[in-house]
Amino acid sequence: QKEVEQDPGPLSVPEGAIVSLNCTYSNSAFQYFMWYRQYSRKGPELLMYTYSSGNKEDGRFTAQVDKSSKYISLFIRDSQPSDSATYLCAMMTSSNTGKLIFGQGTTLQVKP
Amino acid sequence: KAGVTQTPRYLIKTRGQQVTLSCSPISGHRSVSWYQQTPGQGLQFLFEYFSETQRNKGNFPGRFSGRQFSNSRSEMNVSTLELGDSALYLCASSQTGGGDEQYFGPGTRLTVT
Repeated sequence: QKEVEQDPGPLSVPEGAIVSLNCTYSNSAFQYFMWYRQYSRKGPELLMYTYSSGNKEDGRFTAQVDKSSKYISLFIRDSQPSDSATYLCAMMTSSNTGKLIFGQGTTLQVKP
Repeated sequence: KAGVTQTPRYLIKTRGQQVTLSCSPISGHRSVSWYQQTPGQGLQFLFEYFSETQRNKGNFPGRFSGRQFSNSRSEMNVSTLELGDSALYLCASSQTGGGDEQYFGPGTRLTVT
């Protein structure tokens, strides 16, 4: 069983929809949680960073972490065709320096 | 502030050869992590360097090695290349590596024939 599980999709939504992306994990030692966006043949771009539990909002993006359920989410409001990409969740423990554990990534397509 | 840069961007090598990839972190960042990305395995951690020392290592064979210089720039080397080493190699930098944000470079796409 993988430490981090993420539905690979693909997920297809109409422009303007609210998108919900999720990851579950098994290691309760994870404390740092990140969401990346990766366009085809590019490096991952950091979207959101959260430490421990709680919500964080940045523009159209909201990240949620529920450590009791070992579940994290990324919400995208008013989705745009330019949001079409692969979204990767990643997490890290405090002791495993520099080592992010990634989900498989969810491919999102936003149709005009 | 300039982002993470990686050179070269594309590389084609033959089985049995060796290759060296380079990464320049964001100014002020002292931690550099390396990852391999393939369609089948996704993003997998190779190793992390901080202040010229390898602090952490993933589950890759000894053919994969790296180093970091005093200016925090890092290189990774793969010796005796195999077909399965074809991948996108990504480096990421962060200030300390201890849970802070990691910023990725564009990657080096290595093809082994």
